[in-house]
Amino acid sequence: EPEVTQTPSHQVTQMGQEVILRCVPISNHLYFYWYRQILGQKVEFLVSFYNNEISEKSEIFDDQFSVERPDGSNFTLKIRSTKLEDSAMYFCASSESPSVTYGYTFGSGTRLTVV
Amino acid sequence: AQTVTQSQPEMSVQEAETVTLSCTYDTSENNYYLFWYKQPPSRQMILVIRQEAYKQQNATENRFSVNFQKAAKSFSLKISDSQLGDTAMYFCAIKAAGNKLTFGGGTRVLVKP
Repeated sequence: EPEVTQTPSHQVTQMGQEVILRCVPISNHLYFYWYRQILGQKVEFLVSFYNNEISEKSEIFDDQFSVERPDGSNFTLKIRSTKLEDSAMYFCASSESPSVTYGYTFGSGTRLTVV
Repeated sequence: AQTVTQSQPEMSVQEAETVTLSCTYDTSENNYYLFWYKQPPSRQMILVIRQEAYKQQNATENRFSVNFQKAAKSFSLKISDSQLGDTAMYFCAIKAAGNKLTFGGGTRVLVKP
């Protein structure tokens, strides 16, 4: 079964450093998403991406965050200057279509720890 | 905007018994999907079951089934014949207009031997 692959599985970074989280969506999927889960809390939407631009973003997705699809296969989330409160599990997901009838496939997540 | 509420923070069940997790939601959309995701200690998000709002028949996947009450905006998950591997966080979620999933706060399920 096709998978969404996320790397690294765990990243530790110093506060103030830039970090890039990587995702390889399922090959025929066109819509990509990032979600975040702070430990012990609910999963929160960050951003959706289609046709090389952001479709929708949440209030969490401020100027510190950016996304891009640099090479047609990878989908990245960059945090420019990490803060302690950015420590969380970050999930990438993809879908064939934005239609409500199409489900997502989630990756296994990247655990980001900011120290 | 959509909201999802899971009123049970934690539930325990004996192995082989049945447990039911509650979920209520709110949306103004007519066309939407409802999901239950399982998150084991590895923290991966695993789709358990999904329900289309326009289908009256409740979805079933092996030992997992839902009770979808559209008028009441209720979407409960029943786990039958609970197994130790069912121990996890379970999240209810809705997907309506737009792409994003909105999640509830989760219910921790502990299956005891």
